[in-house]
Amino acid sequence: AQKVTQAQTEISVVEKEDVTLDCVYETRDTTYYLFWYKQPPSGELVFLIRRNSFDEQNEISGRYSWNFQKSTSSFNFTITASQVVDSAVYFCALSDPYSSASKIIFGSGTRLSIRP
Amino acid sequence: ETGVTQSPTHLIKTRGQQVTLRCSSQSGHNTVSWYQQALGQGPQFIFQYYREEENGRGNFPPRFSGLQFPNYSSELNVNALELDDSALYLCASSETDRNQETQYFGPGTRLLVL
Repeated sequence: AQKVTQAQTEISVVEKEDVTLDCVYETRDTTYYLFWYKQPPSGELVFLIRRNSFDEQNEISGRYSWNFQKSTSSFNFTITASQVVDSAVYFCALSDPYSSASKIIFGSGTRLSIRP
Repeated sequence: ETGVTQSPTHLIKTRGQQVTLRCSSQSGHNTVSWYQQALGQGPQFIFQYYREEENGRGNFPPRFSGLQFPNYSSELNVNALELDDSALYLCASSETDRNQETQYFGPGTRLLVL
């Protein structure tokens, strides 16, 4: 069965520190898609990145970077030089290739608090 | 902003009542998915509509039903409300129903059942 585990329930760091959010997934399929979403207090899920299972290149977008390692079924997210505006709940998610619909399976989320 | 809108933003109902939530998809998107997010948890897939037909369903009872209209907007209906239905209901739209499509979410409707 498909599953996403975000073992870190809450993380609190001081502004300007680097922080890594862990994500481990389980799937039987060889073709799948991974996502990260950010959910600020307003509630709206903001799309951050999509990565397909055949592309293991790390990606960097400004202060954000993602490390995809198929061998360990992990898709970790790092924020460099964190800012207070980064405070939110972050969800890692996996597409379900066995669903007739483009169903996304979400982890339980990591609540990130950046202290000034 | 994604262009996905939802109404109402907040709603309070009592047990046994019925509720209808609405979603307008992003321009150019023909697929709408609905998710339920209980407090402190990740969103759970309810169902998806593609070109006005239900295209997949999660583990939710039949009292959760939906519609999609020709303009691709959608409704989520919940009958016989229970206390556990209290949650944030999120609508997401995507260009197609294929698994690789990114889903773009609206701001959600917060439902409280008393």
